[in-house]
Amino acid sequence: GQSLEQPSEVTAVEGAIVQINCTYQTSGFYGLSWYQQHDGGAPTFLSYNALDGLEETGRFSSFLSRSDSYGYLLLQELQMKDSASYFCAAVSGSARQLTFGSGTQLTVLP
Amino acid sequence: EAQVTQNPRYLITVTGKKLTVTCSQNMNHEYMSWYRQDPGLGLRQIYYSMNVEVTDKGDVPEGYKVSRKEKRNFPLILESPSPNQTSLYFCASSLSREETQYFGPGTRLLVL
Repeated sequence: GQSLEQPSEVTAVEGAIVQINCTYQTSGFYGLSWYQQHDGGAPTFLSYNALDGLEETGRFSSFLSRSDSYGYLLLQELQMKDSASYFCAAVSGSARQLTFGSGTQLTVLP
Repeated sequence: EAQVTQNPRYLITVTGKKLTVTCSQNMNHEYMSWYRQDPGLGLRQIYYSMNVEVTDKGDVPEGYKVSRKEKRNFPLILESPSPNQTSLYFCASSLSREETQYFGPGTRLLVL
């Protein structure tokens, strides 16, 4: 089966940098996505890595190492509004299904 | 405005009473899917559809049905709801299988 592991909680202060790790075990792996979800809201797409390396989008970057079955989301210059749950999701199979990790609750303190 | 809509947003029902949660997207997306979200378990895919009249099971399809008669609509049907189907449900769509998925606002379901 498919499984993804990520820490359940991370806490950091405003202005800091935080890294959320994700390890995965999937067959037919195509890439790793990251989604953000605020309390009571819908998940929203942040990034997608199909190839090894770092992808940067503003304050957020995402990294993938296919050989290590590992990825991370890097959030820089943290702001209070970044407090949310962050999910890694593996894209796999001929139907490119998304299998989500159980999520990391990020709390940004003032 | 490009969006995915779901109705109802909140629903309380009783065991065994059939219900349908509607999902509609106005982006002409081919790919649509349903997820349920439970505390500590993340989002789990129930069913997905790659195009009209093409549907397939996700990771947790038991107790659910779907249909895709039109490109824009992808209703989720619970023929005989049970308390273990109490959950937060999200519909999502994307242009193709590889594209970013856009999620609807969610439907909170309580089955008594």
